[in-house]
Amino acid sequence: EPEVTQTPSHQVTQMGQEVILRCVPISNHLYFYWYRQILGQKVEFLVSFYNNEISEKSEIFDDQFSVERPDGSNFTLKIRSTKLEDSAMYFCASSESSRANYGYTFGSGTRLTVV
Amino acid sequence: DAKTTQPNSMESNEEEPVHLPCNHSTISGTDYIHWYRQLPSQGPEYVIHGLTSNVNNRMASLAIAEDRKSSTLILHRATLRDAAVYYCILLPHWSGGSNYKLTFGKGTLLTVNP
Repeated sequence: EPEVTQTPSHQVTQMGQEVILRCVPISNHLYFYWYRQILGQKVEFLVSFYNNEISEKSEIFDDQFSVERPDGSNFTLKIRSTKLEDSAMYFCASSESSRANYGYTFGSGTRLTVV
Repeated sequence: DAKTTQPNSMESNEEEPVHLPCNHSTISGTDYIHWYRQLPSQGPEYVIHGLTSNVNNRMASLAIAEDRKSSTLILHRATLRDAAVYYCILLPHWSGGSNYKLTFGKGTLLTVNP
């Protein structure tokens, strides 16, 4: 079964450093998303992306965050200057359609620890 | 967004059926009912979705009340691997051209006893 692949599975970084989280969505999917989950809390939407543009972003997705699809297969989330409160699981997801009669496929996540 | 209400937790025994309820009394006529689950230390996983009719797939069944104000996810024979948090999420049929986004609540933590 097709999978969304995320790397690395775990990243430790120092406060103030830049991190890039990488995702390979399912090959025929056109819609891409990042979500995050702080330990013990709900899964939260960060951003959606289609046709090389951000479609929607949440209040969490401030100027420190950016997304990019640098080639035909990767989808990245960059945090420019990490803060302690950015420590969380980050999940990438993709879907075939923007309509609600399709499901998402999520990756296994990257655990980001900011120290 | 229309709100859903789920029990915080449920318990089941292995190889028995599990019925996970979800109330969504403010559902609109064009909202799809989606179910996702999240196994420990994993990303959310799509389970099933429906609009009006009951749905079956290899993972589960979805029973939707006639008035659509509630639904039930049915796992026919629970296994230890089904222990997870189950989320019931409503999605509008058409998000106005934008990608639709999933709004996760706290879900139901399902414990499966051997």
